[in-house]
Amino acid sequence: AQSVTQLGSHVSVSEGALVLLRCNYSSSVPPYLFWYVQYPNQGLQLLLKYTTGATLVKGINGFEAEFKKSETSFHLTKPSAHMSDAAEYFCAVSLNFGNEKLTFGTGTRLTIIP
Amino acid sequence: DTGVSQNPRHKITKRGQNVTFRCDPISEHNRLYWYRQTLGQGPEFLTYFQNEAQLEKSRLLSDRFSAERPKGSFSTLEIQRTEQGDSAMYLCASSDRTSGNTGELFFGEGSRLTVL
Repeated sequence: AQSVTQLGSHVSVSEGALVLLRCNYSSSVPPYLFWYVQYPNQGLQLLLKYTTGATLVKGINGFEAEFKKSETSFHLTKPSAHMSDAAEYFCAVSLNFGNEKLTFGTGTRLTIIP
Repeated sequence: DTGVSQNPRHKITKRGQNVTFRCDPISEHNRLYWYRQTLGQGPEFLTYFQNEAQLEKSRLLSDRFSAERPKGSFSTLEIQRTEQGDSAMYLCASSDRTSGNTGELFFGEGSRLTVL
């Protein structure tokens, strides 16, 4: 069975500072990894995903994440935070490409300090 | 493409009553998923359909829960004899497996259930 651990349920950063949201996974097979974002009163939307190939993946709104198999991590970063980045972020894993059933982490709420 | 639509957005009911939620997926999507999200938790998988066939159900889906997708388009999730522990946000998502979909789920805004 697969699982996801997100360290830090709340993260606060100053506007313009680096954003780092941590995600570690557990999987018995090579995983497919995702970051979703949930803005207030909106549905979850995909930020980025890793399936195969390049381990550094770029997503929308300037976010990127690096798959590190040796560390079983898929941390999300953004060089410079913007007020509009305030949201809840979920890391998720699926076991295979043919099944989009996702196992989500508990989420990290990102607050941006003006 | 109008996105995934869920109704009602909010439902308050008394314990023991039945409730039904509806999900209209993106029109060309053949897979439809239901998830449940409680406060402070990430979404938890409940069940999914490919067209009208229900392919997988989570152990979270007790016998009080039933989901249908009769014509492979919209889906309903019914909870019978609701309990306070059923209070949660019920999320619907859809995906398209026939056109090179790369594993992305498209989520609706959710239906929030409060059981008093």
